[in-house]
Amino acid sequence: QVQLVQSGAEVRKPGASVEVSCKTSGYRFTTYTLHWVRQAPGQRLEWMGWINAGNGNTRYSQKFQDRVTITRDTSASTIYMELSSLRSEDSAVYYCARVLYYYDNGNYYESAFDIWGQGTMVTVSS
Amino acid sequence: QSALTQPASVSGSPGQSITISCTGTSSDVGSYNFVSWYQQYPGKAPKLMIYEVTKRPSGVSSRFSGSKSGNTASLTISGLQAEDEADYYCCSYAGSSTWVFGGGTKLTVL
Repeated sequence: QVQLVQSGAEVRKPGASVEVSCKTSGYRFTTYTLHWVRQAPGQRLEWMGWINAGNGNTRYSQKFQDRVTITRDTSASTIYMELSSLRSEDSAVYYCARVLYYYDNGNYYESAFDIWGQGTMVTVSS
Repeated sequence: QSALTQPASVSGSPGQSITISCTGTSSDVGSYNFVSWYQQYPGKAPKLMIYEVTKRPSGVSSRFSGSKSGNTASLTISGLQAEDEADYYCCSYAGSSTWVFGGGTKLTVL
């Protein structure tokens, strides 16, 4: 079955960077776009950005534009999210999620996030 | 972009129906039928419950339904059950390949 398995919890100091991985299985990796969503403790879900696993194109939320980089390794069916210049407010659970999409008259549409990773806790503390 | 607006909490008794609203703008909810709803239990990943405003993924109970009017989408849960107690988040496509989530609603089954 389709699975997204993320790397383990991380602890970083303010100013450092962190990279979280999301290994996919059960489907053809290059045919889907994958997104990153984070959730600070007790807070809402927050969309961060996506990567097209086929061509490597990315799009980031304006909020994270300057600090986030999403990459992929097609040979490993894995995507990565690196967040730099960490601050305490970045302490959160980070989720990867696969997008649900369809084609209509040759146009590509994304509609929701149907499969989620288990989440990775990132703690930023001095 | 600003988060979509949801009530912080709603409650209902078993067997009752409840509705959770999700208010956006003409740039997101009002412009696209790509509104989805997610159920989240504490410490767990979100689960897709409704997509494209009204569609239910395979395996999701028919007690869950969605609708939209103007800039406001709604999730209705009928025949409330104890297992429905969770946090619920709406999400909308916001144009230019970006997405926005709601603030989340805590559902309490009395």
